[in-house]
Amino acid sequence: SQQGEEDPQALSIQEGENATMNCSYKTSINNLQWYRQNSGRGLVHLILIRSNEREKHSGRLRVTLDTSKKSSSLLITASRAADTASYFCATDEETSYDKVIFGPGTSLSVIP
Amino acid sequence: NAGVTQTPKFQVLKTGQSMTLQCAQDMNHNSMYWYRQDPGMGLRLIYYSASEGTTDKGEVPNGYNVSRLNKREFSLRLESAAPSQTSVYFCASSGGRAVIDSPLHFGNGTRLTVT
Repeated sequence: SQQGEEDPQALSIQEGENATMNCSYKTSINNLQWYRQNSGRGLVHLILIRSNEREKHSGRLRVTLDTSKKSSSLLITASRAADTASYFCATDEETSYDKVIFGPGTSLSVIP
Repeated sequence: NAGVTQTPKFQVLKTGQSMTLQCAQDMNHNSMYWYRQDPGMGLRLIYYSASEGTTDKGEVPNGYNVSRLNKREFSLRLESAAPSQTSVYFCASSGGRAVIDSPLHFGNGTRLTVT
């Protein structure tokens, strides 16, 4: 089974609104990453948060990590039509740093 | 700077045929990965290689073999293709354990159809 699960599976919002996506995982980790994918192209790395960090920011992105609940959230503020894409979380395993497993993803549609 | 290069971009196979997907990276990365992505789904890890000379199974290794030819190249082989292997295959690389907080860098994918 996959390391990470995400919800919602699909999200549709108006331009300018905030989008929040959640990710849960099952085992202890070293870090958690978020990636973006446009229309079946290769994934692009957005942000990485270490297991000893609780929150991290990058531009309009805010990621939180709660290791006690084994969950993370990605917040995109002031969304734009160009943010329309699929978003995936990925985790390693604490005992297997190089084994990176992806969740099923959230499909975000931002309506102009 | 090419990054991660996958060949071919598209391939159609008949059931039972074999083929090798090629992947090369020019970032001097230690770790390399093969994922598959079925329509509307996330990526599933097939195999990964933490360093030259080592390979490990991922979530869905059955029906595949890999070779870490050298530090730059990591190939994925389908010995006897099946329709269930129709998918988009992504190769990725990262600095791995030796490089703190190294993200994955992805190729553009190979779209494989098995009829």
